[in-house]
Amino acid sequence: DAGITQSPRHKVTETGTPVTLRCHQTENHRYMYWYRQDPGHGLRLIHYSYGVKDTDKGEVSDGYSVSRSKTEDFLLTLESATSSQTSVYFCAISEGLEGGVEAFFGQGTRLTVV
Amino acid sequence: AQSVAQPEDQVNVAEGNPLTVKCTYSVSGNPYLFWYVQYPNRGLQFLLKYITGDNLVKGSYGFEAEFNKSQTSFHLKKPSALVSDSALYFCAVRTKRYSSASKIIFGSGTRLSIRP
Repeated sequence: DAGITQSPRHKVTETGTPVTLRCHQTENHRYMYWYRQDPGHGLRLIHYSYGVKDTDKGEVSDGYSVSRSKTEDFLLTLESATSSQTSVYFCAISEGLEGGVEAFFGQGTRLTVV
Repeated sequence: AQSVAQPEDQVNVAEGNPLTVKCTYSVSGNPYLFWYVQYPNRGLQFLLKYITGDNLVKGSYGFEAEFNKSQTSFHLKKPSALVSDSALYFCAVRTKRYSSASKIIFGSGTRLSIRP
């Protein structure tokens, strides 16, 4: 796998608690993405970043926030976790349009909200 | 808005037969198109991409895909399926727009099952 590390890999949390997932890359790629994967929905984009402190919403951004203070780290925060946010979360990275355009994925974080 | 459709939730093929996994897309402008594969409990692995040029692109593990602009399709193909090809396959699109709008959108996935 490309140099992408997601942490934690598994987490169980209670409804209403805040949760932060971390994505760390060693590839110095410009773009970073957070997706969630749910049966029947494929991968849906939550938020993405096109540079340090430059982020934008994806198609399912409600209830999530992100931050990117360094090139290598992209954090996804669930401000108040709900059962509907139980999912597998994937981080991905890619270079800009000037270079390689495909994304490379981390191993995923399985989050269960009880 | 850009979107990707994979009309088949599951495709079943006998080993040794050719396989096709379908994908259609909707974007404004010319797209970058991708296929990814996911094995159980793993992240997605890049298979191949179309950027420009030859409409038939070749990728990993003997897979290829055909870009058809008039039908806005990018179907994944393999001449002879292997049992080890059984996995979940995703089509994706990225727009060739100014950098800050360059999202990558995925289809819902197609489960490919190859029987011996």
